[in-house]
Amino acid sequence: ELKVEQNPLFLSMQEGKNYTIYCNYSTTSDRLYWYRQDPGKSLESLFVLLSNGAVKQEGRLMASLDTKARLSTLHITAAVHDLSATYFCAALNNDMRFGAGTRLTVKP
Amino acid sequence: DTAVSQTPKYLVTQMGNDKSIKCEQNLGHDTMYWYKQDSKKFLKIMFSYNNKELIINETVPNRFSPKSPDKAHLNLHINSLELGDSAVYFCASSQGETSRETQYFGPGTRLLVL
Repeated sequence: ELKVEQNPLFLSMQEGKNYTIYCNYSTTSDRLYWYRQDPGKSLESLFVLLSNGAVKQEGRLMASLDTKARLSTLHITAAVHDLSATYFCAALNNDMRFGAGTRLTVKP
Repeated sequence: DTAVSQTPKYLVTQMGNDKSIKCEQNLGHDTMYWYKQDSKKFLKIMFSYNNKELIINETVPNRFSPKSPDKAHLNLHINSLELGDSAVYFCASSQGETSRETQYFGPGTRLLVL
C-alpha cells in the first residue's frame, strides 16, 4: 500500500530564509504532485513531477523528484509572508495518496 | 468566469438523507475528480472520471456515486448520509485523459451531517 509522509508538519520561518519540505513515499510512484492550500480555501496545484530527476520552479518555489530515493522536495527560497499556507504532496501509482500537509508560517 | 464551480457551497443535513453536490467546469477539460478533506485536513481522492473510464478509490463506500451527464459536469451523489461524511468535498478537472496535467479545483462544498 502506498504511503506518503511529509516533514516537517509545521514550519515557522523568517522572511528571507530558505527551507525545504520533504515528501517520502513508500512504493513506486508514477508521478508526484505538490499543492498549496490557504486557510479556509481550496487547493491550488503547484507542480506535477513525472520522472526521475524532474525539477520544476515557479517563483520562490522549486520542486524536485528522486524516484530512486522515493523522495520529492519543495524548496523555498527567500521566503515571503505570502507563501504562508499549507503545502501537500501526493504520490500516484494505482492509488493516489496525500501527505498530511506542511503548515508553513513565514514571519516578518 | 469561474473555471470550476460547485454547488452548494454549504450543505447541512440529517443522517440518513440523500444529497447531491454539483460540479461544473468550463475549461473544456477531459478529466474530472472528487476529493474529500476531513476535519483534520487529510485529503483523499474519491473518484477520477473521463469519458472512457471511471476510477474509484476502493476505500470509498458505495453510498457515494459520481454521475456525469456530460463532459463538463461530474456530480457527487451520496446516499444514507452518515456523521463521518462531514467534510469538505472538492471537485477538480484537468486536461487530457490521464493525471499528468495540472488540476484546477473548485471552491469546495462544506458538508455537515447532523
